[in-house]
Amino acid sequence: KQEVTQIPAALSVPEGENLVLNCSFTDSAIYNLQWFRQDPGKGLTSLLLIQSSQREQTSGRLNASLDKSSGRSTLYIAASQPGDSATYLCAAPNYGGSQGNLIFGKGTKLSVKP
Amino acid sequence: DAGVIQSPRHEVTEMGQEVTLRCKPISGHDYLFWYRQTMMRGLELLIYFNNNVPIDDSGMPEDRFSAKMPNASFSTLKIQPSEPRDSAVYFCASSMPLWERSYNEQFFGPGTRLTVL
Repeated sequence: KQEVTQIPAALSVPEGENLVLNCSFTDSAIYNLQWFRQDPGKGLTSLLLIQSSQREQTSGRLNASLDKSSGRSTLYIAASQPGDSATYLCAAPNYGGSQGNLIFGKGTKLSVKP
Repeated sequence: DAGVIQSPRHEVTEMGQEVTLRCKPISGHDYLFWYRQTMMRGLELLIYFNNNVPIDDSGMPEDRFSAKMPNASFSTLKIQPSEPRDSAVYFCASSMPLWERSYNEQFFGPGTRLTVL
């Protein structure tokens, strides 16, 4: 069964810093990996989905990479802002499935201080 | 589109009572997922449907939990009887037909925060 781990569990940085959030997964037979953002008391917002054929996916100040061979993905946030403060979760499909059954990491709680 | 809609947003009930959570997926999506989030266990998949048919319910914790999808625009998750350890945030998510979407991209509702006293 797929297992997803995120390190660190929490991160506090001053505004303007570039930062990297890490995600590792045990079953590399995946079609894609998805990064989400969760604000306190709110649902999940999809940030980026990386297909297995891609190595990187970018959206604004966010860049996600995927290395299936090592079972790792990173989310890079450039020039962090206080509005980026949230919990970031990565999710990988179970059994490499093409539909359904995402396995989530516990998340990294990010705090960006003005 | 209004996105995935869940109701109620908050539910407080007493142990032993029946609880029904509701979800309306995004129109045109044919996959629907129910997740539970707790501090201890994080986000866990409970069950998912494709074209209103349950595909995998292996995450449903006990027989006290049941889920239905009577049509493409409505699903319920029922807990009967409820227990304090069921307290969690329950999320519903949906995704597009396989041939129309990036694989697995799921769109989440705002969740229902359940407290069982």
